[in-house]
Amino acid sequence: SQQGEEDPQALSIQEGENATMNCSYKTSINNLQWYRQNSGRGLVHLILIRSNEREKHSGRLRVTLDTSKKSSSLLITASRAADTASYFCATTSNTGNQFYFGTGTSLTVIP
Amino acid sequence: DVKVTQSSRYLVKRTGEKVFLECVQDMDHENMFWYRQDPGLGLRLIYFSYDVKMKEKGDIPEGYSVSREKKERFSLILESASTNQTSMYLCASSFPRTSGSGDTQYFGPGTRLTVL
Repeated sequence: SQQGEEDPQALSIQEGENATMNCSYKTSINNLQWYRQNSGRGLVHLILIRSNEREKHSGRLRVTLDTSKKSSSLLITASRAADTASYFCATTSNTGNQFYFGTGTSLTVIP
Repeated sequence: DVKVTQSSRYLVKRTGEKVFLECVQDMDHENMFWYRQDPGLGLRLIYFSYDVKMKEKGDIPEGYSVSREKKERFSLILESASTNQTSMYLCASSFPRTSGSGDTQYFGPGTRLTVL
C-alpha cells in the first residue's frame, strides 16, 4: 500500500501549547497536503506543500517536508480547544490523479 | 465556496439490498472520488472519475460500482450490500492537476452507512 502513516495516533495537549504531528510516506511525491476532520464530518484542506519546498506557513500552521526521509510534520502553535479534530496527511504521486491518505492523528486540546 | 453534497448523512440498509450513494459538486470539477473511512485504516479510495462516463478503480473497488453521467454528479453503488460495507463514505472533488489549481480535494460531509 502507498498509504502514509501519521504519528502519533493520538495526542492530548493543554490549550495554548503547540501540537506537532508527523507523517511518513512511501513513494516519490508531487506534493503533500494536510487535512483536518471534525468528528463525523468531511475533511477540510489546510495546507499544501510541493516536493521542491521545505517549509510552509499558514496562520498558526507550519508544515515541513523532508523528501529524503519521506516525511512531513505539521505544527499547530498556540492551540485552541477548537483545534480538536483528526488530522490527515495526503500525498499525490508524480503520475496519476490518485491521493493517498495517512491513517490520521487524533488531536484533543483541553481548555 | 466549493460545495460538495451527499444525499444522506445516515443510512441503514439490510444485507443484500442495492444501495445508491449520491454526490453532487457545484464547482465544475473534473475529478471526483469515493472513499470509505474506517477506524484505524484511514481513508481508502474505492473509485475515482476524471471525466464524465470515465472511471478508474481505486484500492478497494470490490463490491462497488460507480456512475458518472453528468459532470457534477458521481454515484456509488453497492450492488448487494453486506455487513462489512458498514462504514463512513466520503465523496470528494478536485480540478485536474494540469489546471494549475493544485491538488486540493473538497469533501462532502460523509454518509454513515450501516448494513444490518
